[in-house]
Amino acid sequence: GESVGLHLPTLSVQEGDNSIINCAYSNSASDYFIWYKQESGKGPQFIIDIRSNMDKRQGQRVTVLLNKTVKHLSLQIAATQPGDSAVYFCAEISMDSNYQLIWGAGTKLIIKP
Amino acid sequence: DTEVTQTPKHLVMGMTNKKSLKCEQHMGHRAMYWYKQKAKKPPELMFVYSYEKLSINESVPSRFSPECPNSSLLNLHLHALQPEDSALYLCASSQANLISTGELFFGEGSRLTVL
Repeated sequence: GESVGLHLPTLSVQEGDNSIINCAYSNSASDYFIWYKQESGKGPQFIIDIRSNMDKRQGQRVTVLLNKTVKHLSLQIAATQPGDSAVYFCAEISMDSNYQLIWGAGTKLIIKP
Repeated sequence: DTEVTQTPKHLVMGMTNKKSLKCEQHMGHRAMYWYKQKAKKPPELMFVYSYEKLSINESVPSRFSPECPNSSLLNLHLHALQPEDSALYLCASSQANLISTGELFFGEGSRLTVL
């Protein structure tokens, strides 16, 4: 079946630098992608989403890029702060998943002081 | 603060016990979800309720029994669980179906330990 994967399980970034978290997906029919952040001891929290008819979407300090040619999704966090420490999950939605989220494995972001 | 409230936060139970997890939201959301999450893994979908009716059961064993008494409440009844059922159980809600908005609102979860 389809799956959403991540290239790096752990990413260490210096405070103040930009972070880039990557995600590969395998279902070319997926038409909606979402990033979630899960802090320790909490449930996942929606960050940003992007539809398949777009290649870039910006939020507050976050940008999501979608490259449908290579089926790649990335989350960029500008000026990384200690509060950004968390596990980040990408997820996709398609008709094949009965319009439910298919979650990637997650990337743990560690902020170095 | 999360707008989805789950109780209890922690639960320890034996394999012969019967217990329930509870979830409440007052955002007017019409879809509610139960997820199971093991350490260092993504959430796994268990059940989806849409307009108070069970719409998805991801082949979950019958020792887990969901219930949606009204549009604000979601329960998960537990009976004769196994140690491998120990996990974080997350409740979530959404405005409607996820193709409209992929935004799920999660509670902080109930951490279940089965002895």
